[in-house]
Amino acid sequence: GQNIDQPTEMTATEGAIVQINCTYQTSGFNGLFWYQQHAGEAPTFLSYNVLDGLEEKGRFSSFLSRSKGYSYLLLKELQMKDSASYLCAVLDSNYQLIWGAGTKLIIKP
Amino acid sequence: GAVVSQHPSWVICKSGTSVKIECRSLDFQATTMFWYRQFPKQSLMLMATSNEGSKATYEQGVEKDKFLINHASLTLSTLTVTSAHPEDSSFYICSARDREREQFFGPGTRLTVL
Repeated sequence: GQNIDQPTEMTATEGAIVQINCTYQTSGFNGLFWYQQHAGEAPTFLSYNVLDGLEEKGRFSSFLSRSKGYSYLLLKELQMKDSASYLCAVLDSNYQLIWGAGTKLIIKP
Repeated sequence: GAVVSQHPSWVICKSGTSVKIECRSLDFQATTMFWYRQFPKQSLMLMATSNEGSKATYEQGVEKDKFLINHASLTLSTLTVTSAHPEDSSFYICSARDREREQFFGPGTRLTVL
């Protein structure tokens, strides 16, 4: 079966750095997405990785290792507004998005 | 970036009535649109996939006669929840995929059935 694992909840301090991990086992791979979702809102796109390595976009970076079935989202200089759920999703061989359950990130002052 | 709109943003209806939710891709043509449902504190669950001009493909456990999907054009898909009941109360989110296969989400529709 297809499976995506990420931690249920993480807590970090304002101004710090946090890394959210995601491991996946899917039928085929056409890229991995990270989305941010605030409570009561739709997910918003953060990043897309299809090749191995690190993609940096401002305070957020995303890393992919296809051989290990592993990705992480790195958030730097955390702000209170970063408190949200972070969803990892993989595009499988049929170009369907397979979703992880999400990681709830709590930022403390 | 590409924009997907949903209407209405929220709706409250009585049990037994039908509710239609519209999903539009505003500045691109969406070859495929997806409908998701999200219950509180749970992950997104794919309900169905629709391609323009053809019947929707429903995920296992989703009743096609209850959740009617119409994808009449490359910019519009509708989801109709027929004979809604309180257990259908949820957050319904659509997304549209462009020719580059990137997926863009609508803002969601919160449905409350009394």
